[in-house]
Amino acid sequence: SQTIHQWPATLVQPVGSPLSLECTVEGTSNPNLYWYRQAAGRGLQLLFYSVGIGQISSEVPQNLSASRPQDRQFILSSKKLLLSDSGFYLCAWSVKAGGTDTQYFGPGTRLTVL
Amino acid sequence: GDSVTQMEGPVTLSEEAFLTINCTYTATGYPSLFWYVQYPGEGLQLLLKATKADDKGSNKGFEATYRKETTSFHLEKGSVQVSDSAVYFCALSDQRGSSASKIIFGSGTRLSIRP
Repeated sequence: SQTIHQWPATLVQPVGSPLSLECTVEGTSNPNLYWYRQAAGRGLQLLFYSVGIGQISSEVPQNLSASRPQDRQFILSSKKLLLSDSGFYLCAWSVKAGGTDTQYFGPGTRLTVL
Repeated sequence: GDSVTQMEGPVTLSEEAFLTINCTYTATGYPSLFWYVQYPGEGLQLLLKATKADDKGSNKGFEATYRKETTSFHLEKGSVQVSDSAVYFCALSDQRGSSASKIIFGSGTRLSIRP
């Protein structure tokens, strides 16, 4: 069966510091991968998605970037964090078109920028 | 563009009450529809889905029917439990052929069940 991992689970960082959040998927090959952000009490905002190694699409301009160095690894980064980057970051995966279009989510990383 | 509108919360019910959380959507194509649930401090879990008109998704006593004529996908449960307390998200998926599907989420409805 497929599983998705995110780490760290919780992170507190000062403004201006760098960020690296990692997401890995097990039990599937060549998945589509996604990064979402959920601000406190709000819905989900799609940040990035990837259909393959090195292929990143950005949905909104912002202080963050994403990379996919391996088939089942997706990384969210920032060079200098802003207060507004605080939130709950969720990674998700889905099967390529032709199968179900359902997205499956990881446990999330709660980021607090002080 | 595509969008999802769901009833605002919080919704507070007593245990064993009947639950309805309304969800309507706007889409140009024929999307798949989903309900996800988020328990406190956790990620989202798929609760149920429907991929075409008149399909009924069901899981854990929850049901929702894809109504194309009213563009709705209301979530229902006949008898809620305290353990159902969570935030519920209605969503639609715009499949993009060989590229990634894009899921559009509603703003979420917080449900609290009193013992």
